[in-house]
Amino acid sequence: DSGVTQTPKHLITATGQRVTLRCSPRSGDLSVYWYQQSLDQGLQFLIQYYNGEERAKGNILERFSAQQFPDLHSELNLSSLELGDSALYFCASSGQGVYPGGELFFGEGSRLTVL
Amino acid sequence: AQSVTQPDIHITVSEGASLELRCNYSYGATPYLFWYVQSPGQGLQLLLKYFSGDTLVQGIKGFEAEFKRSQSSFNLRKPSVHWSDAAEYFCAVGAGNTDKLIFGTGTRLQVFP
Repeated sequence: DSGVTQTPKHLITATGQRVTLRCSPRSGDLSVYWYQQSLDQGLQFLIQYYNGEERAKGNILERFSAQQFPDLHSELNLSSLELGDSALYFCASSGQGVYPGGELFFGEGSRLTVL
Repeated sequence: AQSVTQPDIHITVSEGASLELRCNYSYGATPYLFWYVQSPGQGLQLLLKYFSGDTLVQGIKGFEAEFKRSQSSFNLRKPSVHWSDAAEYFCAVGAGNTDKLIFGTGTRLQVFP
């Protein structure tokens, strides 16, 4: 158990809909990261938040947004969903970041299926 | 920009055999390198990491990896594979000025009894 909790574990929805994925980081971790894992793209970094502020942005679509709340949990909002958004979405957290000796702790992911 | 290449998509070995999973990275400075394992239906678990110092790094579950700057490689090894090692393995690189990790496409390991 990594200590990172993601909900829901599975989600099935229709094209055009909007969903929210939730992540609770490990106790005390200030950084939250979102990754998308799909068969054709592999693990893609989406976005990072640190103590409520956006720190780094990756290949995140404009239809997607995220935020980190004062209690440090984070939400990833996916809107106007398309079939290609079907993927496993991972949240990870870290206490000190990757540099200079940290690591990311991953949740078990939220599997999104868009029909 | 940094990148990671895992040339082997799928590897099959017999239980008890040795294992080497390849990873090549691209980054101008000294990279921070990681190996993660993902079992079916699970999240990613860190096996080992390299930041500096000894280029041979020991990890959990009997895995080790060697950083070779001249070859831009960070290959993962295990002397004797167990059936429970069947999983997907990801190599990742980080940079000193960012906390994000860039992952390779993964190598799926299958272990035959």
